[in-house]
Amino acid sequence: GNSVTQMEGPVTLSEEAFLTINCTYTATGYPSLFWYVQYPGEGLQLLLKATKADDKGSNKGFEATYRKETTSFHLEKGSVQVSDSAVYFCALSERDSNYQLIWGAGTKLIIKP
Amino acid sequence: DAGITQSPRHKVTETGTPVTLRCHQTENHRYMYWYRQDPGHGLRLIHYSYGVKDTDKGEVSDGYSVSRSKTEDFLLTLESATSSQTSVYFCAISAAGGQPQHFGDGTRLSIL
Repeated sequence: GNSVTQMEGPVTLSEEAFLTINCTYTATGYPSLFWYVQYPGEGLQLLLKATKADDKGSNKGFEATYRKETTSFHLEKGSVQVSDSAVYFCALSERDSNYQLIWGAGTKLIIKP
Repeated sequence: DAGITQSPRHKVTETGTPVTLRCHQTENHRYMYWYRQDPGHGLRLIHYSYGVKDTDKGEVSDGYSVSRSKTEDFLLTLESATSSQTSVYFCAISAAGGQPQHFGDGTRLSIL
């Protein structure tokens, strides 16, 4: 079946460091891929998405490229800020699964000043 | 932000009582979802709806029922609450299958 695997956290970085959060997936067809972010005490917010191979999603300085050959959708940011501290979720959606979102376990990111 | 309101935001109740959580949307989206979020488990789908009176089970539907009598409201009912249902519950909406989901702020439910 479909699945999403994220790197375990927490990930702790200093402000202005480069961020990578790994996400790989297993899917039977051609999924859409998403990154969501959850700030403390809040609901999840869509951060970015990509719907086909080689698409790059971007938002708020974050980027992720849909890599079909490596079945990956890694999240990157060139220079993180304290305000980026949150939990990040990778997810996929596929027609064969009635478009239900399949979620990764989430990666907690802690940015220290 | 998508117009999604969850109520109540916090609730404490006793084992064996029925509990109903409400999700109200103002976006006229077709799809609505109920998730629970627990440490170590991430997000798990309880039930979802793809239209008025059209609902289906998710991954963890046992002990839960839902109803959708109009587009804007999706109700989640715990028929007889148990301590294992203590969790944070999130409602989400999407315009169509495959479209991004937008989440409410959650309901923190404690079953004593």
